[in-house]
Amino acid sequence: EAQVTQNPRYLITVTGKKLTVTCSQNMNHEYMSWYRQDPGLGLRQIYYSMNVEVTDKGDVPEGYKVSRKEKRNFPLILESPSPNQTSLYFCASSLRGHRGQPLYEQYFGPGTRLTVT
Amino acid sequence: QKEVEQNSGPLSVPEGAIASLNCTYSDRGSQSFFWYRQYSGKSPELIMSIYSNGDKEDGRFTAQLNKASQYVSLLIRDSQPSDSATYLCALRDNNNDMRFGAGTRLTVKP
Repeated sequence: EAQVTQNPRYLITVTGKKLTVTCSQNMNHEYMSWYRQDPGLGLRQIYYSMNVEVTDKGDVPEGYKVSRKEKRNFPLILESPSPNQTSLYFCASSLRGHRGQPLYEQYFGPGTRLTVT
Repeated sequence: QKEVEQNSGPLSVPEGAIASLNCTYSDRGSQSFFWYRQYSGKSPELIMSIYSNGDKEDGRFTAQLNKASQYVSLLIRDSQPSDSATYLCALRDNNNDMRFGAGTRLTVKP
């Protein structure tokens, strides 16, 4: 089954404790992306990757890191989480289209609800 | 001004009615437009995409695009309680970046 998986699905942590949210897709997609979703603000892109070892900042990259060592995996790292990073996080993947940007439909993972106290 | 604007709702319609969801955008160079449905606590799923002016129909859903007026809409005919969800308008802007609206919450009452 074609899918994007994220782990963990729920996480409560404390300020400053490093954490990693994993994302994996089995569709051989080049393009992967992380979003956060907050009430009234919609989905905002954090980082994206057009292919292995190629990553770039989205609209709200501060406080986050990513890596793309393998095509299927795109982990999101919070080195020192803060309460303003409490949010719902989605990973998405897509085939790569013109100029490397996502081609048409993005497939979203199930989401990770993060609470930082 | 937000790049993609939607009325947050909630929009409430009776079962069987037509639900009309609207979205305006600021980047005239935007070329690709999408409607996603998101159930509470779930991930967005694509229901319609539209790339040229006019109407595009898919089952009970019709997307309408007017680039001159910079709006895109989604009509849901014969609305069902199962259509109750938040609908996200999204587009690919002139820089080829994906932009999402904050969503309109739709409630279909039996």
